[in-house]
Amino acid sequence: GNSVTQMEGPVTLSEEAFLTINCTYTATGYPSLFWYVQYPGEGLQLLLKATKADDKGSNKGFEATYRKETTSFHLEKGSVQVSDSAVYFCALSGTAETSGSRLTFGEGTQLTVNP
Amino acid sequence: EAGVVQSPRYKIIEKKQPVAFWCNPISGHNTLYWYLQNLGQGPELLIRYENEEAVDDSQLPKDRFSAERLKGVDSTLKIQPAELGDSAVYLCASSLVGQKGTEQFFGPGTRLTVL
Repeated sequence: GNSVTQMEGPVTLSEEAFLTINCTYTATGYPSLFWYVQYPGEGLQLLLKATKADDKGSNKGFEATYRKETTSFHLEKGSVQVSDSAVYFCALSGTAETSGSRLTFGEGTQLTVNP
Repeated sequence: EAGVVQSPRYKIIEKKQPVAFWCNPISGHNTLYWYLQNLGQGPELLIRYENEEAVDDSQLPKDRFSAERLKGVDSTLKIQPAELGDSAVYLCASSLVGQKGTEQFFGPGTRLTVL
């Protein structure tokens, strides 16, 4: 079945540091890939997505590239801010006709950015 | 535009009691999802509706869990009887369609504590 593996957290950075959160996946066919973010006390929000190999998703300074050859979708940001402190989830939606929109999530990575 | 609404936000019950969660999706979204999120983990799909029809309920524990989506809008998820292991956050999400790559919009969740 489909699965997503994220780097273990928590991650603590200083403001303006470079961020990488690793994500690899296992799936048949060509899944769509997502990064969702959960700010304290709020629901999950879509941060970015990519629907085919070599696509780059980007939003709010965050980027991730769909790498089919390495089955990866690593999240990066060049300069993090305190307001980026949240839990980040990598997810995929599959290719099957009946369950194609089901999201399979990683375990989440807690990011804390200190001033 | 109003987001996905869930109620209650918090619920504390004793084991063996019944409990129900309510979800109102974004207007016009015909696909509705219920996810279970255990502490420190990513959400896992329980059931997906396309309009009134449950099209993906393979991970719903049907001995104690039930769900309905009357008239293809609001949905209710019920647990009867609740067990200690049911303590978790129950998330509702909706999307325009149930296709791969479609963004899902999440509600804030209902945090259930079973004593």
